[in-house]
Amino acid sequence: ILNVEQSPQSLHVQEGDSTNFTCSFPSSNFYALHWYRWETAKSPEALFVMTLNGDEKKKGRISATLNTKEGYSYLYIKGSQPEDSATYLCAFRSTPNTDKLIFGTGTRLQVFP
Amino acid sequence: DGGITQSPKYLFRKEGQNVTLSCEQNLNHDAMYWYRQDPGQGLRLIYYSQIVNDFQKGDIAEGYSVSREKKESFPLTVTSAQKNPTAFYLCASSRQGNTEAFFGQGTRLTVV
Repeated sequence: ILNVEQSPQSLHVQEGDSTNFTCSFPSSNFYALHWYRWETAKSPEALFVMTLNGDEKKKGRISATLNTKEGYSYLYIKGSQPEDSATYLCAFRSTPNTDKLIFGTGTRLQVFP
Repeated sequence: DGGITQSPKYLFRKEGQNVTLSCEQNLNHDAMYWYRQDPGQGLRLIYYSQIVNDFQKGDIAEGYSVSREKKESFPLTVTSAQKNPTAFYLCASSRQGNTEAFFGQGTRLTVV
């Protein structure tokens, strides 16, 4: 079983704080790393799909970096807002020959006004 | 509108009964997935399918079965052999290649 780990498990921050969390994945046979945001009572939605070592992607106040050699990705949120409150999931795909997506346990972010 | 639909949203079954969860997509996606979520845990892969008439076991396939007779549909049967069937089940689909997955709204199954 491929192990994808996320930390911390949960995070509480004040509005306006910047925050970041980590996704660790196997560094061998890397193909892609996905980030999803899952708001309560909604379906998970994709934030980023990252494939290249050193990749940096940005969407508004959210950005992500990727290090495939050491097997980790960081997700950053600048100036957190209450609407950023959600569970953030990363998912790992190991080879191009399979569509198998393995998810981490998620980081639950709560932003207080 | 294109999307992925799961039904029903809530499902109650008696212990020992098989139950089938529906997942339909009109996104023309080749790959489809079933995940299970339990409280405090992430999404665990039950089964996935990359193409019609083909599917692969995920990490927790025991007690489940699937079929992929049509590209649009990937139903999941929770059998009586599944020891802890009460959970939240999510279906997803994606194009082949390096693209994101799209998720349904989920089915909460409660077995009493």
